[in-house]
Amino acid sequence: AQSVTQLDSQVPVFEEAPVELRCNYSSSVSVYLFWYVQYPNQGLQLLLKYLSGSTLVESINGFEAEFNKSQTSFHLRKPSVHISDTAEYFCAVSGSTDKLIFGTGTRLQVFP
Amino acid sequence: NAGVTQTPKFRVLKTGQSMTLLCAQDMNHEYMYWYRQDPGMGLRLIHYSVGEGTTAKGEVPDGYNVSRLKKQNFLLGLESAAPSQTSVYFCASSRTNPYEQYFGPGTRLTVT
Repeated sequence: AQSVTQLDSQVPVFEEAPVELRCNYSSSVSVYLFWYVQYPNQGLQLLLKYLSGSTLVESINGFEAEFNKSQTSFHLRKPSVHISDTAEYFCAVSGSTDKLIFGTGTRLQVFP
Repeated sequence: NAGVTQTPKFRVLKTGQSMTLLCAQDMNHEYMYWYRQDPGMGLRLIHYSVGEGTTAKGEVPDGYNVSRLKKQNFLLGLESAAPSQTSVYFCASSRTNPYEQYFGPGTRLTVT
């Protein structure tokens, strides 16, 4: 069975500081990995994905994540956060099934 | 394109009442999903569909039924609502695999 663990339920950070949101997964098959973002009172949106190829993937708004097979991790990073990055972030995994398994989410709070 | 829409946005039910949540998508997507989101538990899959006329159980199907009579619509029914079903419900759709899911704005349901 597949599972996803997001180690931090909340991450407070000041504007322009770097941030890392941690995600670990377990799976007995090859996986595809995703980060989704949920802004207040909205549904989730896909932020970035790893399907194959380069283990470092980037989003259009400056986030990046690196697939690390040996550590079974897919941590999300941004070198300098903005107030508008305040949201809840969900890591998700998909293997050989028709569905995604989501983590419990990490609430990123950016302070001025 | 409206994307994924959900009806209603808010609803309050008494224990034992029934209701149907409607999800509609105008992107000609094959896959559709119903999730519930509860604090600290992330998104949990209730039921899903991989095409018109198909349905399958997710992680937490008990107390819910679904139907996909038309490709663009996915209905979630509660036959006898319970307080434990108080939650925010999200519908999502994706084209031909579960990876890039498009989410609706959610339905906030309270069962008293």
